[in-house]
Amino acid sequence: GAVVSQHPSWVICKSGTSVKIECRSLDFQATTMFWYRQFPKQSLMLMATSNEGSKATYEQGVEKDKFLINHASLTLSTLTVTSAHPEDSSFYICSASERDLGTDTQYFGPGTRLTVL
Amino acid sequence: GQQVMQIPQYQHVQEGEDFTTYCNSSTTLSNIQWYKQRPGGHPVFLIQLVKSGEVKKQKRLTFQFGEAKKNSSLHITATQTTDVGTYFCADGSSNTGKLIFGQGTTLQVKP
Repeated sequence: GAVVSQHPSWVICKSGTSVKIECRSLDFQATTMFWYRQFPKQSLMLMATSNEGSKATYEQGVEKDKFLINHASLTLSTLTVTSAHPEDSSFYICSASERDLGTDTQYFGPGTRLTVL
Repeated sequence: GQQVMQIPQYQHVQEGEDFTTYCNSSTTLSNIQWYKQRPGGHPVFLIQLVKSGEVKKQKRLTFQFGEAKKNSSLHITATQTTDVGTYFCADGSSNTGKLIFGQGTTLQVKP
C-alpha cells in the first residue's frame, strides 16, 4: 500500500506559539489530503480536506484562521496550529487518498502528538 | 450531520472467543470502509465494501455490508492477542473522498 509520512511525530510547545505539521505522500501523488484530530479514547474527527492548489475545505466548527492548511504540491500538505493553547493538545493525523489512482482508500500518516503547555 | 453509529464501544474477550462490531447509518451508504488502530498507532485500512449484501473475508475477519447498505459488521473468529486495538468503520459516501468515522470499538483480548 501507499506510504504517508508525517513530521514531527511529537511536539511540545508553549501556549501562544505556532506549530507546523507536515504530511507527505511518499510513493504516490495526492491531489487530496485530509486532516483529522483525535482526542484520547475518541474517534477521528475530520478537520479539513486539503486540496492541492486551492483552499482547504473546513468542517463545521473548525476555525480556518487557527488551523492553517497549505497543500503546495501533490505530495505535501501542511497544517499550522496558530497561537496554540492547551485545549489544542491532541493527536493530529493526516491521510492521503488514492483517488488519483481510482480508489477511495485512504492511507494514514503515523500522526503527530501535540502537547501545548 | 451525517453519522455512523458503531457498537459496542468496548469489548473484552478471552483469547479464542469470537468478536463482532456493528455499524449503522440512517442513510444509504455508497461504500463503507473498515480500519484498525493499534494502541498508540494510526488507522490502517482493512477493507472497503461497496455492493449490497457483500461479504468479504480476510483470514479470521469477516466483513458484511447489509442488503440496504445502511449497516455493516466486522466479525473476528477465534480472537488472538494480536487482534487488540480499535476497529473503526467509516462512511466513504462523500464525493469528495472524505471519510466520516464511527465511534470505534476497542477490543481487549485476555490471554
